[in-house]
Order: sequence, then structure tokens, then C-alpha cells
Amino acid sequence: GAGVSQSPSNKVTEKGKDVELRCDPISGHTALYWYRQSLGQGLEFLIYFQGNSAPDKSGLPSDRFSAERTGGSVSTLTIQRTQQEDSAVYLCASSFDRGNTDTQYFGPGTRLTVL
Amino acid sequence: AQSVTQLGSHVSVSEGALVLLRCNYSSSVPPYLFWYVQYPNQGLQLLLKYTSAATLVKGINGFEAEFKKSETSFHLTKPSAHMSDAAEYFCAVSESSASKIIFGSGTRLSIRP
Repeated sequence: GAGVSQSPSNKVTEKGKDVELRCDPISGHTALYWYRQSLGQGLEFLIYFQGNSAPDKSGLPSDRFSAERTGGSVSTLTIQRTQQEDSAVYLCASSFDRGNTDTQYFGPGTRLTVL
Repeated sequence: AQSVTQLGSHVSVSEGALVLLRCNYSSSVPPYLFWYVQYPNQGLQLLLKYTSAATLVKGINGFEAEFKKSETSFHLTKPSAHMSDAAEYFCAVSESSASKIIFGSGTRLSIRP
């Protein structure tokens, strides 16, 4: 079946602009995660959505970052007033969140370049 | 708090040789442990995971890892390396299979002909 999809695959923006990154999780998955992968910081957790519960935002690096998940499915990660250090690959993952058997499946990522 | 340390940012082995990628973890609760692989220009793929069942976990592509609580380790091994194993490997830990994952810094595996 279809995996996690992300769009755009690449995004180049100018410093100070806002960007929106989209994630379509696997159908039926109730949990959705955002991570980012950068040269300096490796793979970092950003935010986690589980059903109707309040999201775990503990990984968001600043208040310029926000995310929402509408209708328990698609999620959008928004970065306001982008900075060069925001350049990274932003990865989305989803899972069923049913306990021990769950696995997070990752999308291909969005490569963000801030000039 | 949880953390993962991968020893060696780059490991190079000959084709057919043993692959050993080292991972040590720190966790205040019984951990869930993972190895993910990232092939060039591709997304992350789960190799295997430990979820408190058998301590020796077998994954895809002939890889396996052994959970050793006394050593807080979860090293990844493969008896015989293949050229197609060249990739970046990430060890990771979480409090459950469905909570946020804390990744190690990654180990790039190169295979010499």
C-alpha cells in the first residue's frame, strides 16, 4: 500500500520567508511525528501527534516552528521567518500507536534550503 | 531522559567480512531499541527493533542485534557484508514503540570490494 508521502520534496526559500511542509501519513495511522535531519544536529525529534490528544511539542527548536494536524490525518509543519540554520531534511513518520507492535514508517522527507 | 551513543561515525569493512556497528543507550525506563538504515538518497527504513521480548533480534537483510542490559548495549551485526549494505545506520531508543524516537548520530558503513 501507499507509504508516508511528503511535499514538496525540495524547497528553496529566502531567509525571512515562511514555509509550509506537508505530510500525508499512511491511511489509518493515528500517530504522526515530525523529525529533522541536519548536518550539525543529526536526527532530531520535533513534534508528535496522537489522535485527539494534545501534541508533544517538546522538540520544537523555537516558537517560529509550529505544526497542526487536521482531521487526524494530514499534517503541516510551518516555519516562520526562516533562518539559514533551519536548512535540513524534514522527515515525517506515522504509526498505528497500538503498543508493542507499532513501527514508525518514515516518508522520503522534504529538503529545505534557506538562502 | 534517554540517549543513544554510536561508537564510530564511519566503519569500513571488506565484502564478506563481519559487520559490527556499536550502540550504547541510556534510559531511565525499560527501553525500546531500534536500528534504522538510510540508503543514499532514500528515506529511513526500519532494520529491526527490540521491544522487551527476545534479546536477540533478527531483522531484514541478514542483520541482527543483541540487547545486553548489563552493558546497556544494542550492537548491530551481520556475518558477511555485501556491497549493497553500504548506507548510514542509526541506532535509536524510545520509551515505547509509539513514542518519540531519540536517534544516535549515525554510523556510515562502507564496503570495500
